[in-house]
Amino acid sequence: DIQLTQSPSFLSASVGDRVTITCRASQEISSYLAWYQQKPGHAPKLLIYTASLLQSGVPSRFRGSGFGTVFTLTINSLQPEDFATYYCQQLNSYPRTFGQGTKLEIK
Amino acid sequence: QVQLVESGGGVVQPGGSLRLSCAASGFVFSKYAMHWVRQAPGKGLEWVALTSYDGINNHYADSVKGRFTISRDNSKDTLFLQMNSLRPDDTALYFCVGSTVVTPYFDSWGQGTLVIVSS
Repeated sequence: DIQLTQSPSFLSASVGDRVTITCRASQEISSYLAWYQQKPGHAPKLLIYTASLLQSGVPSRFRGSGFGTVFTLTINSLQPEDFATYYCQQLNSYPRTFGQGTKLEIK
Repeated sequence: QVQLVESGGGVVQPGGSLRLSCAASGFVFSKYAMHWVRQAPGKGLEWVALTSYDGINNHYADSVKGRFTISRDNSKDTLFLQMNSLRPDDTALYFCVGSTVVTPYFDSWGQGTLVIVSS
């Protein structure tokens, strides 16, 4: 199975900051990576797919990049509504594993 | 718009069974693969199972293989998860998920149904 490791697991930042979350895959997954945002009490929401493509309706301050085994999610100019937990997921093979999550909190 | 509504969750004793349902609307259900994803209380996301658009090809997480069965009824736009031999570590919120626009990514999620396995 492909393991995904996110870093950091917790991140404290202020409104207006830029933050970066990294997701490392235990094997090559090409660009078959997605990023999701989950707020407490809500289902996850797809933000980024194919490593770098923005899902419809997602603000352009979210940016994904990477290929192979190392991927990043960058959020520019953090807004209050961005404080949430973020997960990466690989879709290169089964099982469709998720990273352990990164909780982004307000400093 | 796409709507996925799960039902069937509840409290069950270890070793028991439960059948989850997911009613789909707002898209052509029979054209898309569907998944179940779960989230234990306070924990991360775990993919559970996939069924292909026609219900013929299914995949499971190792943690549920042999105990859970995913299926669908395309005539009723409904997804199912039959869960047998339930264990306390199956306690979770179970989400019905579709890849309805950006295949194969998980772009449509229900709100989840809670399963608690406890004596």
